[in-house]
Amino acid sequence: EPEVTQTPSHQVTQMGQEVILRCVPISNHLYFYWYRQILGQKVEFLVSFYNNEISEKSEIFDDQFSVERPDGSNFTLKIRSTKLEDSAMYFCASSHADREFQPQHFGDGTRLSIL
Amino acid sequence: GQQVMQIPQYQHVQEGEDFTTYCNSSTTLSNIQWYKQRPGGHPVFLIQLVKSGEVKKQKRLTFQFGEAKKNSSLHITATQTTDVGTYFCAGLKTSGTYKYIFGTGTRLKVLA
Repeated sequence: EPEVTQTPSHQVTQMGQEVILRCVPISNHLYFYWYRQILGQKVEFLVSFYNNEISEKSEIFDDQFSVERPDGSNFTLKIRSTKLEDSAMYFCASSHADREFQPQHFGDGTRLSIL
Repeated sequence: GQQVMQIPQYQHVQEGEDFTTYCNSSTTLSNIQWYKQRPGGHPVFLIQLVKSGEVKKQKRLTFQFGEAKKNSSLHITATQTTDVGTYFCAGLKTSGTYKYIFGTGTRLKVLA
């Protein structure tokens, strides 16, 4: 069964540094999402992306965050200047064409640790 | 902003007992999805409910969407150790948007 793949599985970064998290969504999916989950807490929506632009973003997704689909297969999340509170598990998800009527398929996540 | 709360936060049950988690939204939802997250894992889609009052079953799992489309429940009959994990509901406020709000989750432990 096709899967969403995320790299790296664990990223350790100094505070203030830029970090790029990478995702390869399922190939025929058109809707892409980033979520974060602080350890032991709920899954928080960051951003959704469709047709090469952001569809929705949350209050968490401020100017320090950006997303890109650089080459038609990868979907990246960039954090420009990381803060301690950015430490979390970041999940990428994708879904098929019919928006809310399709399940979201999640990757295994990238654990981001900010020192 | 929109909030989706789940109760209970934690539930420990003996294997074979039933389990229910309740999901309550502060606003009317277009639809609701349920996910299961095993410890150390990622959310895995279980089911989606769209219609008011809808009930769906998957083997020992029964999902319900409230008449007002503001609440939902997941009931597991005769729990097994494989049911361990955190169960999240995720609601979509408005049709045509892409912003799912996840509930606070219910962590289930099943004692053998």
